[in-house]
Amino acid sequence: NAGVTQTPKFQVLKTGQSMTLQCAQDMNHNSMYWYRQDPGMGLRLIYYSASEGTTDKGEVPNGYNVSRLNKREFSLRLESAAPSQTSVYFCASSEQRYGYTFGSGTRLTVV
Amino acid sequence: DQQVKQNSPSLSVQEGRISILNCDYTNSMFDYFLWYKKYPAEGPTFLISISSIKDKNEDGRFTVFLNKSAKHLSLHIVPSQPGDSAVYFCAAKREAGGTSYGKLTFGQGTILTVHP
Repeated sequence: NAGVTQTPKFQVLKTGQSMTLQCAQDMNHNSMYWYRQDPGMGLRLIYYSASEGTTDKGEVPNGYNVSRLNKREFSLRLESAAPSQTSVYFCASSEQRYGYTFGSGTRLTVV
Repeated sequence: DQQVKQNSPSLSVQEGRISILNCDYTNSMFDYFLWYKKYPAEGPTFLISISSIKDKNEDGRFTVFLNKSAKHLSLHIVPSQPGDSAVYFCAAKREAGGTSYGKLTFGQGTILTVHP
């Protein structure tokens, strides 16, 4: 029962570097999401994919891009990392009215 | 524009007593509400939910109350246990159609500490 798997778990980037956060789910869920968690801000939606082949912006999409590679995988890309993108990133999946299943998170530090 | 607000950043409770975590929302289109629990270095996990057609939902030691007129929900944990110490997030979504279908909006979280 892997659920939602995120890689890597930790990453340190220099300002201006790029990287891709990977997310895969094995529950055959249609919808997938990327959130970031910051102190005092809760969880904020970056991008989501309601179904395979579709992606939409969430609350804080600037500086990020996403790819819904197939039904299982939803990646988040930082093209030019900035210190403001230091955060904990969570991927989640869901099947419509039910609650989300979250991955264990990626802790990203941009220096 | 914080549509879901948890105004108490932290709460400290003695083991065996009641914990009450509060949450307010501003978007009247929200019609489904959830509570998530998060331990350090783990992702949030679903705890309990309530639809706007109800005003109360119980699951063991956990009860969620919804007051639609006040746009307020609360989570009661009775009795509280040290293992309940975690960050609790309330979340809301609009179920019935609309482009926001399925998307959850989260509050800032409340850190609950239950002392033995």
